Amino acid sequence: DVKVTQSSRYLVKRTGEKVFLECVQDMDHENMFWYRQDPGLGLRLIYFSYDVKMKEKGDIPEGYSVSREKKERFSLILESASTNQTSMYLCASSLLEYTEAFFGQGTRLTVV
Amino acid sequence: SQQGEEDPQALSIQEGENATMNCSYKTSINNLQWYRQNSGRGLVHLILIRSNEREKHSGRLRVTLDTSKKSSSLLITASRAADTASYFCATDAAYTGANSKLTFGKGITLSVRP
Repeated sequence: DVKVTQSSRYLVKRTGEKVFLECVQDMDHENMFWYRQDPGLGLRLIYFSYDVKMKEKGDIPEGYSVSREKKERFSLILESASTNQTSMYLCASSLLEYTEAFFGQGTRLTVV
Repeated sequence: SQQGEEDPQALSIQEGENATMNCSYKTSINNLQWYRQNSGRGLVHLILIRSNEREKHSGRLRVTLDTSKKSSSLLITASRAADTASYFCATDAAYTGANSKLTFGKGITLSVRP
């Protein structure tokens, strides 16, 4: 079974801190995605990557950056956390374009 | 911007009834997928239908796709209390650079009463 693992289930950070959210997949998938999920807004794509060191902006990249140094790992970085970045963050991976995505369990981030 | 929009936003039915959920989208797609999310968890893939397919079945799930209307429906037959969850449609539309991005709608909350 494909496994997508996010480093933390719950995280509390202070305003202005630099925050790293880590995601690892174990099935050699090409594509990886970061979403945030907020009540009433559904899932919104922050960034995605289709290859090592490659990244593309999603719909809401502002305030975030990403890193993909190795194929299995995709990190989301909040350069200076703000309270409006309090959210559920979901990582996903897929083997190829136009195939099903596998999700991690989510990281609920609270910025105080 | 989000590509897919589900309808209705919330649905409450009795166990044993069928549940029909709809999704509309704006631009041409390569495929459309449905996912399920139990409260506070990650999403689980249910079914994928390609743009050249019109109908697909998987167990108690039936998905249809009408590309002329840019819409899809998910039917869950003989619903169970365990089907209570949020359901999302996702579209995989190619964009400039030919690298697709998977975008989701806001979701439908399904409650199945025992």
